[in-house]
Amino acid sequence: IAGITQAPTSQILAAGRRMTLRCTQDMRHNAMYWYRQDLGLGLRLIHYSNTAGTTGKGEVPDGYSVSRANTDDFPLTLASAVPSQTSVYFCASSDSTHGELFFGEGSRLTVL
Amino acid sequence: GQNIDQPTEMTATEGAIVQINCTYQTSGFNGLFWYQQHAGEAPTFLSYNVLDGLEEKGRFSSFLSRSKGYSYLLLKELQMKDSASYLCAVRDSNYQLIWGAGTKLIIKP
Repeated sequence: IAGITQAPTSQILAAGRRMTLRCTQDMRHNAMYWYRQDLGLGLRLIHYSNTAGTTGKGEVPDGYSVSRANTDDFPLTLASAVPSQTSVYFCASSDSTHGELFFGEGSRLTVL
Repeated sequence: GQNIDQPTEMTATEGAIVQINCTYQTSGFNGLFWYQQHAGEAPTFLSYNVLDGLEEKGRFSSFLSRSKGYSYLLLKELQMKDSASYLCAVRDSNYQLIWGAGTKLIIKP
């Protein structure tokens, strides 16, 4: 079934550790996004990529990095996790910057 | 700053009609989206409005007034499975999506 796959679905992490959330899509979408979702707040954009080889900063990029080596993969890395990065992370893709977003199932991250 | 406002929570009865409002102030406008998100799941696309007026899709309709910075999502013949959060999002002049915090809709029998 075509779509977006995220891994892991859930993770508990000690503060200071490095963590990479994986995201893969098989829809050949150009644009990909990473959001975090916290209770009472709207989805907040962390980083995005309009096409393979390019990335951009969103609303809350500090403490996160991304890469887009190819069309399908868009990993999100926390270099040194902090408790404020406890959240649910969603990866999404769209066929263009104008189109609807398709979301992965989310990665629930707890930083202790 | 950019802002999307929608009610935090609404309650409705199975079989009834409910209207979820969304008002926005953004730098530019390139379309408005409604997404549905069941608890613990990913958001899924419901509707898209870029011109003023009503877009109907089965039991769900979405309305847009660009001059008023206002949209609503209308759900008819409510079913228990419609219990979810409904997210309003606006594309600004840079084609970035600005998201509301979502409206949690509770359906009672």
